Amino acid sequence: GAVVSQHPSRVICKSGTSVKIECRSLDFQATTMFWYRQFPKQSLMLMATSNEGSKATYEQGVEKDKFLINHASLTLSTLTVTSAHPEDSSFYICSAPGGVDTNTGELFFGEGSRLTVL
Amino acid sequence: EDQVTQSPEALRLQEGESSSLNCSYTVSGLRGLFWYRQDPGKGPEFLFTLYSAGEEKEKERLKATLTKKESFLHITAPKPEDSATYLCVIADSWGKFQFGAGTQVVVTP
Repeated sequence: GAVVSQHPSRVICKSGTSVKIECRSLDFQATTMFWYRQFPKQSLMLMATSNEGSKATYEQGVEKDKFLINHASLTLSTLTVTSAHPEDSSFYICSAPGGVDTNTGELFFGEGSRLTVL
Repeated sequence: EDQVTQSPEALRLQEGESSSLNCSYTVSGLRGLFWYRQDPGKGPEFLFTLYSAGEEKEKERLKATLTKKESFLHITAPKPEDSATYLCVIADSWGKFQFGAGTQVVVTP
């Protein structure tokens, strides 16, 4: 089955620094990837849609200058949290639709990245 | 506007006590309904895709069914390892995904 790999799984950083999270589709090409944020005991909240070769589409209320998204290839999207602050601490997850059989349509999720900002 | 409502929010079961989770939805053209399992600190794991009313899918102790308005995830004789949050997601004809809030299931020995 299709696999989406996310890295790093955990990251701790100091306030004011930037952190990059990578999301890779390992056995299929993903023209679209989604980035989510999840707080404890809550469901996933869509932050933005990453489109290969074009600008990301951000959901309302998500600061595009703080959460930089780059989708430079058909297998890699990155989320950079710039000038991170403690309130940015959260669980970030990426996903990509489709897979080996793109007609199936389901989303495949990365393993998630736990960001802790001190 | 597409909407997905899952119930109950939380479910506590004794090992072996079968139960069902509900996912009610409204959508302008359903392309697919998906069930996922999410363990704490991990990304959601794909379980099933359902495309049309009347369809059923099974995997071990789990069985998913679909009608025009809702889907059920039946857990038969659950074991503690079935403890997780179960997410229902729909995709509409435009390719947009909508998430339910999830049902947290705890199965005690």
